[in-house]
Amino acid sequence: KQEVTQIPAALSVPEGENLVLNCSFTDSAIYNLQWFRQDPGKGLTSLLLIQSSQREQTSGRLNASLDKSSGRSTLYIAASQPGDSATYLCASTGNQFYFGTGTSLTVIP
Amino acid sequence: NAGVMQNPRHLVRRRGQEARLRCSPMKGHSHVYWYRQLPEEGLKFMVYLQKENIIDESGMPKERFSAEFPKEGPSILRIQQVVRGDSAAYFCASSPDRPQETQYFGPGTRLLVL
Repeated sequence: KQEVTQIPAALSVPEGENLVLNCSFTDSAIYNLQWFRQDPGKGLTSLLLIQSSQREQTSGRLNASLDKSSGRSTLYIAASQPGDSATYLCASTGNQFYFGTGTSLTVIP
Repeated sequence: NAGVMQNPRHLVRRRGQEARLRCSPMKGHSHVYWYRQLPEEGLKFMVYLQKENIIDESGMPKERFSAEFPKEGPSILRIQQVVRGDSAAYFCASSPDRPQETQYFGPGTRLLVL
C-alpha cells in the first residue's frame, strides 16, 4: 500500500522568501503526482499535476518536480506572500489517490 | 460549468442517528470518489463509484457506511447509527475519466456527532 509523507508538517516564513515543500512516496508505480492547497474549512484546490512521464510542472510562482526513482516530489514557491498561507497536500494517483498529511504554511507579513 | 457540489456543508447529528451526505459531480463527470478527513489527520480514500456501480470500496468501514451513485441524481454517502468518531470532513471528488486523471474536489461536508 502506498504511503505518502510530507515534511515539514508546519512551516513559518517571512514574506518574500522562497521555500520548498517535500513529499515522498513508497511505491514508485504511480500515474501522477498532484499538489493541492487547502484553506481552513474549505475544500481542495488543485495546484499542479505532474504526469509520471514528466519531471516538473510550473504555474506562476509555483514549480513542482517529480523524481519517481527516489520516490520524491517537491513544491517550490517563489517570493512567498501572506495569501499563500494554507495547508499544502500532495497526492499520488494510481487507482486511488493517496494523500500526505500536509504541510501547514504560514507566511508572515 | 459548476464545480463539484456537496450538501449539506455542515451537518449535526446525535449518536445513533443517520447521516446522509450528497455529492453532485461536475457536469460530464461519471466517476465519483469519497474521502474522509479526520481531525489532525490526512485525507483518506473511502470509495470510488461510477454510475450504478461501486468500483472500489476498500477504504470504507465494514459496518454502518454505504455509498451509492444512482443513474439519476447525486451520489449519496450514508452513515447509519453515527458515533462520535464519525465526526470529520467528508469530501467528494469527481473526474471525467479514469481515476488516474485529475480529480476535482467539492467543498466538503463537515459532520459533527454530538
